[in-house]
Amino acid sequence: EVQLVESGGGLVQPGGSLRLSCAASGFTFSSYWMHWVRQVPGRGLMWVSLINPDGSITGYADSVQGRFTISRDNAKNTLYLQMNSLRAEDTAVFYCVRDTSDFSFDYWGQGTLVTVSS
Amino acid sequence: QSALTQPRSVSGSPGQSVTISCTGTSSDVDGYNHVSWYQQHPGKAPKLMIYDVSKRPSGVPDRFSGSKSGNTASLTISGLQAEDEADYYCCSYAGSYTYVFGSGTKVTVL
Repeated sequence: EVQLVESGGGLVQPGGSLRLSCAASGFTFSSYWMHWVRQVPGRGLMWVSLINPDGSITGYADSVQGRFTISRDNAKNTLYLQMNSLRAEDTAVFYCVRDTSDFSFDYWGQGTLVTVSS
Repeated sequence: QSALTQPRSVSGSPGQSVTISCTGTSSDVDGYNHVSWYQQHPGKAPKLMIYDVSKRPSGVPDRFSGSKSGNTASLTISGLQAEDEADYYCCSYAGSYTYVFGSGTKVTVL
């Protein structure tokens, strides 16, 4: 069974940093592109970032480019999102998502809440 | 990377059909045949319903269908059922290793 379990969310002050982790199991993690998608509670989805299987290709939404860094450790079956210079508008539930290899997303974690507030 | 435009809400009676539009630009919807649709029930993670404009993953009922014309993609739910009441989001590949989601549509079964 495919499982994606996010951790690392919490309360952080504006300008602060946080690193999210996503532990993957039930599939060959090193073979899949992975993404982070966020959602403000009660609002819509926003794609955040992607990474290819070996970590050599990354992509970011304009609103996080230069502040967020996606990475992965295939030996640990773990996806990361390093978030720096956090802003109030980054407050959201962050989902770890598996790519289908057909430009879509088939498995989603349960999400971890990031709250940026003083 | 502006969100794709979806109607805020659509509604229909059981058994009827509803269609949700998703309007983008030549940089996303009209530029690639990589539009997907997701269903999200309250408090749950999204579920993939359609990919590559019109393909259905295994297990998704054939009541769900997708299409695209120019910069507008559409999701049609035929034979609407109570369990179809949810939020629906489109998503398109936007080039240069980026994606963009739609603004979301609430489907209400009357």
